[in-house]
Amino acid sequence: GENVEQHPSTLSVQEGDSAVIKCTYSDSASNYFPWYKQELGKGPQLIIDIRSNVGEKKDQRIAVTLNKTAKHFSLHITETQPEDSAVYFCAAHQQGNQFYFGTGTSLTVIP
Amino acid sequence: DSGVTQTPKHLITATGQRVTLRCSPRSGDLSVYWYQQSLDQGLQFLIQYYNGEERAKGNILERFSAQQFPDLHSELNLSSLELGDSALYFCASSYGLATDTQYFGPGTRLTVL
Repeated sequence: GENVEQHPSTLSVQEGDSAVIKCTYSDSASNYFPWYKQELGKGPQLIIDIRSNVGEKKDQRIAVTLNKTAKHFSLHITETQPEDSAVYFCAAHQQGNQFYFGTGTSLTVIP
Repeated sequence: DSGVTQTPKHLITATGQRVTLRCSPRSGDLSVYWYQQSLDQGLQFLIQYYNGEERAKGNILERFSAQQFPDLHSELNLSSLELGDSALYFCASSYGLATDTQYFGPGTRLTVL
């Protein structure tokens, strides 16, 4: 089955700096890669996603890049703000199959 | 508020018991997903239903079962509960495909004593 690894497990950045979270996957059949943000006491919230036919996608301060050859994808958050503090999860999905999640990254933005 | 509702919010029960978790998807969404989140296993996909039919199955134990009813609400049944079943159980919904945006509910915290 698919195996998704996520790094780092914790990340602290100063407000205004950038944060990068990386994930690798093992199964080349995976073709959809969402990123979720989970705040304390709440359910995960989709923040951005990318499909395997696209190399990069951006939405304001958030971007995701995908390298299919190397089987890795990354989340980039620029100009971080305290409200970006949360746990972030990456996931990989194959058509008709299940979702596989990374182990999460706890991001702290220091004011 | 995602529009997905889950009941109950908290559930405390004993080993060997059976419980039912309920989920109401967002209005218009046809797909429902169940996830388990625990400290040692992380976030795990359990099962997906689309318009009443099972569409994808993940790491769901045989002691667990789910269904989606004609009104599109879904129930997750957990039986012969073990201590290790203690976790947060999330339901999510999307319009159709698994690659459509999934909206997560607030979760049900299950504690097995």
